[in-house]
Amino acid sequence: KNEVEQSPQNLTAQEGEFITINCSYSVGISALHWLQQHPGGGIVSLFMLSSGKKKHGRLIATINIQEKHSSLHITASHPRDSAVYICAVRASGSRLTFGEGTQLTVNP
Amino acid sequence: GAGVSQSPSNKVTEKGKDVELRCDPISGHTALYWYRQSLGQGLEFLIYFQGNSAPDKSGLPSDRFSAERTGGSVSTLTIQRTQQEDSAVYLCASSLSGTGAGTDTQYFGPGTRLTVL
Repeated sequence: KNEVEQSPQNLTAQEGEFITINCSYSVGISALHWLQQHPGGGIVSLFMLSSGKKKHGRLIATINIQEKHSSLHITASHPRDSAVYICAVRASGSRLTFGEGTQLTVNP
Repeated sequence: GAGVSQSPSNKVTEKGKDVELRCDPISGHTALYWYRQSLGQGLEFLIYFQGNSAPDKSGLPSDRFSAERTGGSVSTLTIQRTQQEDSAVYLCASSLSGTGAGTDTQYFGPGTRLTVL
């Protein structure tokens, strides 16, 4: 079992839909990251969370430390949101452990 | 520069040859990370540098892999006697502090796509 599991692996949505991507982890962590990887490979850090909830534009990230679970929500989804979304956790030390990613496709 | 830069962007090499990949972090960032993304697989941590501290090499897959960071800035990842399974995108990231509090955002470079024939 991977230390970080994401669901779903693939997600197709229509423009305007509300999207949720889930991340569960099995170790104690100091922080959780959500990353976005566009076609062509560029990676952008969206959020870093250690507790609670963060919002940036149409993106919202939440984390429940007790349940070892985080969600990434996208409101009013748009085709430009199509990308791979990656959850990564920072346990002990410096290294990040990554989930397999969720491929999101938003159709117009 | 404004962001993390990596060179070369693409590298094709023959099995058995050595390769060097370069990363220029954001100026002033003390923490530097190397990751690998193999085709169809997730990101994998390789090595981490924090200031003048000894690097965390726990992610390096074999002793053919090494990295150094000169002057606390530019880093070079070296792969000796490359194998076909080394083919991947090698990503570098930097962050301001890299402290264990996990309060630092990592900024990723565009990556180097390595193909070993």
